[in-house]
Amino acid sequence: GENVGLHLPTLSVQEGDNSIINCAYSNSASDYFIWYKQESGKGPQFIIDIRSNMDKRQGQRVTVLLNKTVKHLSLQIAATQPGDSAVYFCAVMMDTGRRALTFGSGTRLQVQP
Amino acid sequence: DTGVSQDPRHKITKRGQNVTFRCDPISEHNRLYWYRQTLGQGPEFLTYFQNEAQLEKSRLLSDRFSAERPKGSFSTLEIQRTEQGDSAMYLCASSFQDTEAFFGQGTRLTVV
Repeated sequence: GENVGLHLPTLSVQEGDNSIINCAYSNSASDYFIWYKQESGKGPQFIIDIRSNMDKRQGQRVTVLLNKTVKHLSLQIAATQPGDSAVYFCAVMMDTGRRALTFGSGTRLQVQP
Repeated sequence: DTGVSQDPRHKITKRGQNVTFRCDPISEHNRLYWYRQTLGQGPEFLTYFQNEAQLEKSRLLSDRFSAERPKGSFSTLEIQRTEQGDSAMYLCASSFQDTEAFFGQGTRLTVV
């Protein structure tokens, strides 16, 4: 199976600062990783993904870092804005043929103006 | 809007009743997933389809739950003899092969 955990349940940052959300996974067979953002009452929104053959991927204001050695994933948000306030989930998929995503329990990001 | 669409958005039902939810995926996506999410938790996988074939089911999917995707397009999730523990947000997602999965807004089920 797969256990996916997030280090902090709530992260509070000042507007304009950078945010880092961390995620640990347990199964070395995990080969595909996705970060989702979920606002209250809405479905998860895709942010960025990364496959196990990479260790870094950048999007618009977001960067995902993957450390397969320690089974750790992080999401960095640059110049955090109030609209970034939400719950962030990491999700992992294994390369065993099982195509289900396993989600962590989420980190709530609060952006202080 | 060409995203994943779910209907209804909210459903209140009495314990013991049957409910059915519908999901319309993004049109070119061949994979469709159902997840369940309770308050404060991440989504939990229930089942997924590739085209019309149901390829994987979670142990969470009891005998009271059934999902179909008859023509490889929209999907339905039915819960028979609902219980209060079934109260949750039911999320549908779709993807093309192993690319990113996009979620719908979910159906919030309340069993009273």
